[in-house]
Amino acid sequence: AQKITQTQPGMFVQEKEAVTLDCTYDTSDQSYGLFWYKQPSSGEMIFLIYQGSYDEQNATEGRYSLNFQKARKSANLVISASQLGDSAMYFCAMREGRSSASKIIFGSGTRLSIRP
Amino acid sequence: DTGVSQDPRHKITKRGQNVTFRCDPISEHNRLYWYRQTLGQGPEFLTYFQNEAQLEKSRLLSDRFSAERPKGSFSTLEIQRTEQGDSAMYLCASSFGTSGVSKAKNIQYFGAGTRLSVL
Repeated sequence: AQKITQTQPGMFVQEKEAVTLDCTYDTSDQSYGLFWYKQPSSGEMIFLIYQGSYDEQNATEGRYSLNFQKARKSANLVISASQLGDSAMYFCAMREGRSSASKIIFGSGTRLSIRP
Repeated sequence: DTGVSQDPRHKITKRGQNVTFRCDPISEHNRLYWYRQTLGQGPEFLTYFQNEAQLEKSRLLSDRFSAERPKGSFSTLEIQRTEQGDSAMYLCASSFGTSGVSKAKNIQYFGAGTRLSVL
């Protein structure tokens, strides 16, 4: 069963607009972590934001925020005031289990293209 | 402050040849991960080290694959008798964490990857 689902293969957004990238996950663990990474064409995976399953508040990092809806098992990434440099692949990922050493499972990604 | 470094960035080889990739983690990180990413997909976990100990291996890691981290610093990933299906991006990540139950974020920071093409 797929653990991380990203239903948007590609998105086009006008520069300066906000964009929401969807992510749903499946786990039976009570303790887990959710991540978003950005992968530009250069290939490097860049960490953006983290949300722990016990965190009561949604995570924010600059222009990035994570809309965490635990009951719906949803962890959408919101990018405010998009910039041309935001054009990249975006991956939602999850770490299951209580051990912080657990591997990360990635979704299939969303390709975001920002139009000037 | 240098990030995770991977070498080479690109490797082209003929089927049946052996290849070796190197990963240098962030210096204070005790954990090191290898992932494989094929075109259009997210990365898939291959194996994980804590210091020099290899603690977990994916079933994706066939017996042609071997990874080492001899002194708990850099790591190598070797693929023997390469096949065309091995063509992929091989990503290394590192993190710092302690053993046991933890609510720590244990963020994994990735290198730029090694892109392998098997002809």
